[in-house]
Amino acid sequence: EADIYQTPRYLVIGTGKKITLECSQTMGHDKMYWYQQDPGMELHLIHYSYGVNSTEKGDLSSESTVSRIRTEHFPLTLESARPSHTSQYLCASSEYQGSYEQYFGPGTRLTVT
Amino acid sequence: GDSVTQMEGPVTLSEEAFLTINCTYTATGYPSLFWYVQYPGEGLQLLLKATKADDKGSNKGFEATYRKETTSFHLEKGSVQVSDSAVYFCALSGFTSGTYKYIFGTGTRLKVLA
Repeated sequence: EADIYQTPRYLVIGTGKKITLECSQTMGHDKMYWYQQDPGMELHLIHYSYGVNSTEKGDLSSESTVSRIRTEHFPLTLESARPSHTSQYLCASSEYQGSYEQYFGPGTRLTVT
Repeated sequence: GDSVTQMEGPVTLSEEAFLTINCTYTATGYPSLFWYVQYPGEGLQLLLKATKADDKGSNKGFEATYRKETTSFHLEKGSVQVSDSAVYFCALSGFTSGTYKYIFGTGTRLKVLA
C-alpha cells in the first residue's frame, strides 16, 4: 500500500487568501508530482521534482509554486486564490522499480469562493 | 510527441458483462505501459503494468497485453462487478530524447449496473 498523504482533503476558501496544500510520502521516492484534475477527469501535470532542491513546471501553466526542501515533503502554494483555481489537486511520487509506476495521494478538493 | 489515446466514456455495462477499454499509444523508444483506476473520492492507484512487448499485465481479473505491432494496450475483464465502477486511465512512461516522460490518457468512466 502506498504511503503518500495529502492534507487537507477538502478546503473551501475565499478569494485572495494564501493557501498551502501539503503532500508527504514515506517511501523515500526522489520523484514527486502535482496534478490538477478537472471535472472531465483529465489529469494535467502542473509541477514536478526529481529530488531535493529540484522543481520544474509541468505541461499546464499554473499560478501555484512548489518547494522541495526535504525528500518526503512537496507542498504546493497559491499566493492569492481565485475561483479559477477551484479543482481537485493530486500529488504523486515514483521511483524506478523495473518501471516508474506512480503512487498517488487521495487528493485535495479546493473550492475558492 | 508521445501520446496516449483511450476510448471515451462513459461505458455502461450490466454486471457479469465482458469489458474492453481501448488504449493506443504513440511513442519513440520502448515505453512501459500502465492502467490506473480511480474510485470516487480517491486518488489513482496502479491496476496493472507491462514493461516490454508481448508482456501481459494482470490484476483483480483485469488483463492487458502490450502489443507493439498495433501500439495498443487494451484493458479487458471477463465479468465485471458493480464494484468495478470507476474511472480507468491508460498511461505510458519512458525516455524521449533524454527526457523522462509520463503521459496519461484522458480517462474512461465505467458504470456497472446490478
